[in-house]
Amino acid sequence: DAGVTQSPTHLIKTRGQHVTLRCSPISGHKSVSWYQQVLGQGPQFIFQYYEKEERGRGNFPDRFSARQFPNYSSELNVNALLLGDSALYLCASSIPSGASTDTQYFGPGTRLTVL
Amino acid sequence: AQSVSQHNHHVILSEAASLELGCNYSYGGTVNLFWYVQYPGQHLQLLLKYFSGDPLVKGIKGFEAEFIKSKFSFNLRKPSVQWSDTAEYFCAVKASSNTGKLIFGQGTTLQVKP
Repeated sequence: DAGVTQSPTHLIKTRGQHVTLRCSPISGHKSVSWYQQVLGQGPQFIFQYYEKEERGRGNFPDRFSARQFPNYSSELNVNALLLGDSALYLCASSIPSGASTDTQYFGPGTRLTVL
Repeated sequence: AQSVSQHNHHVILSEAASLELGCNYSYGGTVNLFWYVQYPGQHLQLLLKYFSGDPLVKGIKGFEAEFIKSKFSFNLRKPSVQWSDTAEYFCAVKASSNTGKLIFGQGTTLQVKP
């Protein structure tokens, strides 16, 4: 079975631009979460979407937004890019099997470099 | 606020040595606990998880972890490491009342010398 897929793999942008990252969950998974992983740190939670609705948001500015489509794929959008947005952006999918037993499976990530 | 602390940032072991990676969290309620591994050039993979029941959980590739509630700890162990265990290991915590939001530690880089 295919795992979580993300596109593009790598992306280079300049400050002030915007970017759209895409994620396709594992077949049958209805929830998608986004994380930012800066070099040398663990992933930081950005958003969770379930059934096209936002179910959670981390401590990120409004420049970050996301949405989920009827086929459960998702997009993460970042506006007015800053140098500090350079990171690996991870998508994770889960069924979920229940509020207390949700297990997230991660994709390979999109490496964003902001110059 | 919830947080996760991994005490060892970089661990170097010889093959066949025993491994224990520390993980402590701060949260007063019921939690779900996870260890993820990231092998060089690969994506984050689930190693093991704890939701409830037996506090000693076994994962893939011979790894196990023990949840000690009184110590807010979820340490990862392996009796005998192999060169192929070289990777970065992340401990993560989720409030069981929350469907998302994994809180990750900053990771431990394990280097196993052949």
